[in-house]
Amino acid sequence: DAKTTQPPSMDCAEGRAANLPCNHSTISGNEYVYWYRQIHSQGPQYIIHGLKNNETNEMASLIITEDRKSSTLILPHATLRDTAVYYCIVRVDSNYQLIWGAGTKLIIKP
Amino acid sequence: NAGVMQNPRHLVRRRGQEARLRCSPMKGHSHVYWYRQLPEEGLKFMVYLQKENIIDESGMPKERFSAEFPKEGPSILRIQQVVRGDSAAYFCASSPPELAGADTQYFGPGTRLTVL
Repeated sequence: DAKTTQPPSMDCAEGRAANLPCNHSTISGNEYVYWYRQIHSQGPQYIIHGLKNNETNEMASLIITEDRKSSTLILPHATLRDTAVYYCIVRVDSNYQLIWGAGTKLIIKP
Repeated sequence: NAGVMQNPRHLVRRRGQEARLRCSPMKGHSHVYWYRQLPEEGLKFMVYLQKENIIDESGMPKERFSAEFPKEGPSILRIQQVVRGDSAAYFCASSPPELAGADTQYFGPGTRLTVL
């Protein structure tokens, strides 16, 4: 079973920041937080991952709370093309299996 | 740098036929993973392979399903005697060899199998 809890759906206005929460209260010290997204009918796309520090790349920012029990993925300026299902996954560094939950369906509205 | 390639993108089979799904990993990647996704669900791990080796097939059904990753050529997921319940999207992912499977996985576009 997935070790993460995400809201099933969210809306966001185009051009605004989209903040997607994820709870992972049972995360272990050696488990990373990964984010992927899946645009309709496409393969999952890697977004970002982190262990305990906040991370930023060209796609998004990842904010992990100090106790690591939750995190937030931030898309700073959402566009219509960001409409997708976003998956938050916790993963032990040495474990290749990605355990997928149901994700959050993010709808960007014009 | 081409991404993970999968073919065919869509495959239709009748019950009892065989389905062969192909995956070419990204250049320089030697680890391949197969996942299955049913409609409205997340992906489920099936098998992890390196060249000529099956590392973990714990997510594969015990019968009718097999996977290989030969020294030359793509990885193949083979489903014999397909049934309607095999209808799903099958995704392949690959990762580079440096971290022995723990590195970021990059996914292909998937093969959508429909069993009539």
